Parts: sequence; C-alpha cells; structure tokens
Amino acid sequence: NAGVTQTPKFRILKIGQSMTLQCTQDMNHNYMYWYRQDPGMGLKLIYYSVGAGITDKGEVPNGYNVSRSTTEDFPLRLELAAPSQTSVYFCASSYSPLRDTPYGYTFGSGTRLTVV
Amino acid sequence: AQKVTQAQTEISVVEKEDVTLDCVYETRDTTYYLFWYKQPPSGELVFLIRRNSFDEQNEISGRYSWNFQKSTSSFNFTITASQVVDSAVYFCALSEARSGNTGKLIFGQGTTLQVKP
Repeated sequence: NAGVTQTPKFRILKIGQSMTLQCTQDMNHNYMYWYRQDPGMGLKLIYYSVGAGITDKGEVPNGYNVSRSTTEDFPLRLELAAPSQTSVYFCASSYSPLRDTPYGYTFGSGTRLTVV
Repeated sequence: AQKVTQAQTEISVVEKEDVTLDCVYETRDTTYYLFWYKQPPSGELVFLIRRNSFDEQNEISGRYSWNFQKSTSSFNFTITASQVVDSAVYFCALSEARSGNTGKLIFGQGTTLQVKP
C-alpha cells in the first residue's frame, strides 16, 4: 500500500516555464487536496477535489490549475512559473469526514519547487 | 470562519525539559476535528493525533499528551521530558465535519521546537 505518491521530489524551474506536479493515491479516497508550504506560514490550500470530475479553488489558487479525471490522480499544473511559486507542495487525500471512520489525512512526501 | 492560531513561532528547550505547544482555534461549527502534525527536518508530515469536537478527554501517548478545552477553544500539546529527536515543526490543524463539508484542513502557522542536548 503506497498511500499518496508525489513526483517529482525536487524541481527547479525557470520563470515562465510550466510543469505538472503528479499526485496519486491508492486508498480509494474521494477527497484530495493540494497545499503549499511557505516558511513560517503553515500550509495553505491551493485546490481540492471531493471526487472524480469535481474540483474547486482553495485559499491560494492563482497561477495553478488542477484536474481530477480519476479517483486516484490529482495533478497540479503550474502555468508560467513565477518566483512567488517557490514553495514546498504537499498532496493529501482523505475519506469523507461524515461517512467514513477513522477520519484522517494521508500526505505525500512533498515536492520542493524552486523558480529562478 | 475557520482559523487556527499557534502564537509560539519558535521554542527552544534543553533536553528533558517539558514543553507545551499552544493551539487556539476558531470555528462556528459544533462538529469538527482537530489534529496535530509533526514535520521533522526531513520534511514529511507525521500524523500525531486526531480529536473530534465531542471528545474532550485528554489523551496521553508516551511522552506526548494533549489537552482539549472547548471552553477556551484550545488544543494544546505537551511533550514531557523532551528529547533531541523531538526537534521539529509542529502544526495544529482544524477540519469541519458538517454536511457538505469539503474536508479542508486549516493549518496554524506552526511552532518550531528546538531541543538542545
């Protein structure tokens, strides 16, 4: 059972380049999330999905896009990378908090992205 | 609106000291979950505890203990007899569980704990 797998672990992008951060989970979780972590700021929600075909914006969605064509995959797309997107990105998945117990989150190991 | 505040940005203690990390939350919901995560220098997020809003019992797990007080909207975390391996960033987080909820986790800013030998 792999849990949540994120790739790549590290990446350096030049300003204006694009890339996709991959996230895959094998727990059949309906809910998936992308967070970014900046120093001293905690984790902030970028986008989330409550099921295949359903996505919505979180707190800091500008500059990102997502898709959820399958239950397992939730890729995060960066278009026209900017230095402000330098951060550590975490993908997470969870059960529904109302229907499933135990309720909790599984996080990927993170992607450290630097935009120069 | 949901909010989690960890007022302590950094704490430094000497090994074997006890240390308490504070967490204050805001929510208008009556049903919610509170979490603590540890982020060691390696960077991954390690789940420590989940508490639902209907369970105010304090919990102890080895050297770790948690004090949940709804009256003050606090969910504090105490490490007894701290060790160097406890050095990490600790996050408190909140998730509401009402119908239609998206399960979003709201994180505090984190507290960096340094335990010196």
